[in-house]
Order: sequence, then C-alpha cells, then structure tokens
Amino acid sequence: GENVEQHPSTLSVQEGDSAVIKCTYSDSASNYFPWYKQELGKGPQLIIDIRSNVGEKKDQRIAVTLNKTAKHFSLHITETQPEDSAVYFCASDSNYQLIWGAGTKLIIKP
Amino acid sequence: DGGITQSPKYLFRKEGQNVTLSCEQNLNHDAMYWYRQDPGQGLRLIYYSQIVNDFQKGDIAEGYSVSREKKESFPLTVTSAQKNPTAFYLCASRPGQGRNGYTFGSGTRLTVV
Repeated sequence: GENVEQHPSTLSVQEGDSAVIKCTYSDSASNYFPWYKQELGKGPQLIIDIRSNVGEKKDQRIAVTLNKTAKHFSLHITETQPEDSAVYFCASDSNYQLIWGAGTKLIIKP
Repeated sequence: DGGITQSPKYLFRKEGQNVTLSCEQNLNHDAMYWYRQDPGQGLRLIYYSQIVNDFQKGDIAEGYSVSREKKESFPLTVTSAQKNPTAFYLCASRPGQGRNGYTFGSGTRLTVV
C-alpha cells in the first residue's frame, strides 16, 4: 500500500536555531500535504499544508517545501521557541484518506 | 464555534467489558475517522466513514465496531475481543469534497483495569 516515510524520529535543536523535518511519499497521485503538531495528551492540530500546484508556502516562522518530482516535502521552523516542542506528523492524501508519517519528536533545548 | 468533541476524556474498562467512545462534530463534515495511538507511536486507522450509514475497516479494525447513523456522530465501541485496548483514541473529520486536512478531537485515553 501507499506509505509516507518521515525523518528524523527525534530532533533536538538549540532555542533560536532552525529545525527541518523531511517526508517522502509513494503515491504519485497525491496532491495535498499537511503538517500537524501534537502536544502531549492532545489531538493533532493542523499547522500548515501545501498543494501540488505550489513549491513552497510560508506562515510566519513555519514553511513547507514540496518537490513533486522527487516525491518529498519538508517542514522548516525558524527561530525555534520552547513552545515548538511537540511531535510533528506529515501526511499525504491518497484515495481521499491521509497517509501518515510516523512522527518526529522535536525537542527545543534552552 | 464549530468543532469535534470526544468524550469522555478518560475511560477505564474492566476485562471482558465493551465500552463506547463518543465522537460528535458540528462542522458539517462528511467523512469521519477513528485512530489509535500508542505511547510514542504514530496514528493507526481503525475505521472510517465517508457518508452516513456507510463505513470501512482501517488497518486495525479487529476488536472494534462503529456506526454512522447521523452525519454528526461516529461512535466507536471497543469490544472484549480487543485484547490490548489500552491506548489514546483520536477521532477526526474532514469535508467530503476536495482534498483537505482533518480536524481532530482532543482524544480519549482508555485504560484497562
């Protein structure tokens, strides 16, 4: 079946530095790629998404890039802050369902 | 405000009991989903429903059952056949048309005692 690979599984960065999380998808028909942030004990929250007709999208400190030829997309967080500590999930759409990456635990060191 | 509500937040089940987790949304979304999440793990799909009175099994449906009698509601029953039910359960919904993200509830933590 279709799958999404996400790396790294854990990422530790110094406060103020940038963080990058990468995902690769298998379904060449996928056209929608969301990113979710999950804080401990809560449901995932959509933080940014991108559709296949654009290569990059920004929202303040968060950006997502998409390379459809290589079938990978990345989440970029700049100027990281303590509140960015969470688990981040990428996903791609396939047959009107989302296929999920395994998640990345982002740790912001003070 | 529109949203998706899961209840209860915490649930305890005795061995051999069936329990039902509630999921209600007022977003007028067509599709609804149930996921299981174990500690430190990702999301595993249990069941999903694209339309009222219709639902499909996900990757780990054994030991679970659902119903979709109303557009707003998608309850999940964890039956006694589910041998390891302790987990965090997440419900989500999505507009039926087009490719869009899910809206998640706040989850139910189920513990077997």
